[in-house]
Parts: sequence; C-alpha cells; structure tokens
Amino acid sequence: AQTVTQSQPEMSVQEAETVTLSCTYDTSESNYYLFWYKQPPSRQMILVIRQEAYKQQNATENRFSVNFQKAAKSFSLKISDSQLGDTAMYFCAFMSWTSGTYKYIFGTGTRLKVLA
Amino acid sequence: SAVISQKPSRDICQRGTSLTIQCQVDSQVTMMFWYRQQPGQSLTLIATANQGSEATYESGFVIDKFPISRPNLTFSTLTVSNMSPEDSSIYLCSAGQYGYTFGSGTRLTVV
Repeated sequence: AQTVTQSQPEMSVQEAETVTLSCTYDTSESNYYLFWYKQPPSRQMILVIRQEAYKQQNATENRFSVNFQKAAKSFSLKISDSQLGDTAMYFCAFMSWTSGTYKYIFGTGTRLKVLA
Repeated sequence: SAVISQKPSRDICQRGTSLTIQCQVDSQVTMMFWYRQQPGQSLTLIATANQGSEATYESGFVIDKFPISRPNLTFSTLTVSNMSPEDSSIYLCSAGQYGYTFGSGTRLTVV
C-alpha cells in the first residue's frame, strides 16, 4: 500500500528566507504523480507544484521548487523568498492510477508560519 | 484550469438526517473526486466519480452512507446519509484528470 509521510508537523521561517518541507513516500507503482498543496485558513486547497515520476528534472514554479529523489522516494518542497502569504498548511500527495482506478494519498501536513 | 463551485459552504445538521453537497465545474471533466477532512487532519479520499459509471469507493466508505451522483461532465453530488456527530468534517470535491482543482469545501457540523 502507498504511504506518504511528512515528518515536520510545524515549521517557521523568517520573511524573505528559504525553507524546505520534507516528504517521503512508499509505493511499488512505476507511474505516479506527486503534488504539493497549500491550504490556508480559508480551507481552499491550492496546487503549488506537481511532479511526474517519469521526469528526472525537478519541477519549478516561481519561488517553489522540488527536490525529487525517486530512488530514495523523497519529494521535498523548497520555498524561496518566503512571503507572509505563504503561511498555510502544506500537504504532500501521491497519485497513481491503474486500469482507471485512482489512488490519492495525502500526508499529514506541515503547518508553515512565515514570520515578519 | 477549471473552476469549481461547491455548495453549501457550511451547514449544521441534526443527527439522523442527510445532507447533499454539490460541485459544479465550469468545464467538462472526466473524473471528480470526493474527500473528507476531519478536524485538524489530512484529506482522505472517499470515492472517485466518472460520468456514466458507478462511483468507486475507497476502503471504509460505502455507497449507502455516501451515495454519489455524476449525471454529466460538469456536476456531481455527494450525500452524507443518516448523519452522526462523527460525520462532522470538511468535505471537498476536486476535478480533472489529476484531480488537482478543488472546490472550496463544505464544513459540516452534526449535532
């Protein structure tokens, strides 16, 4: 069975600094996607970044980038130049599909607070 | 990307009653997903809904408790039936091939 582990329940970072959130996963699937989602207090789930497992190149979206280590089953999120608006819960998620059947597993989340 | 309108945003319901949550997508999508997020917890997938076929439920979730409809490519409903206080949660839908566009969630409180 697939699992997703986020070992940092809470983190804080000074505004304009860089922070890295950790995520590890376990799967025997060969085709899958990994995601980082942001959930601010409004509870709206917002996609931050996604990574296709078959791509070796790490995904980047503006200030957000990932370090995808497929062999180690690690998928960390780096936030550069942190902003107050980055304060939120961050969830790492794994998705796979087999014969039209989807599996979507979320980690337990990391609460990030950006300090002024 | 698609935009999803989810209703109601919140509700307080009596135990033993049912609540139907609606998600309307502004474009046609093949797959829709329904989640439960218990207080302070992560998201748990309830079921996936493909238009024109029965929803596929995850372990621990059954159709009698969480019936889902998917009448067309832009709309789906989730009903929480015979509610108890343990059903108090946030319920979210998402849509798209990879399911990464979410509705704004429904905060359900059962009293």
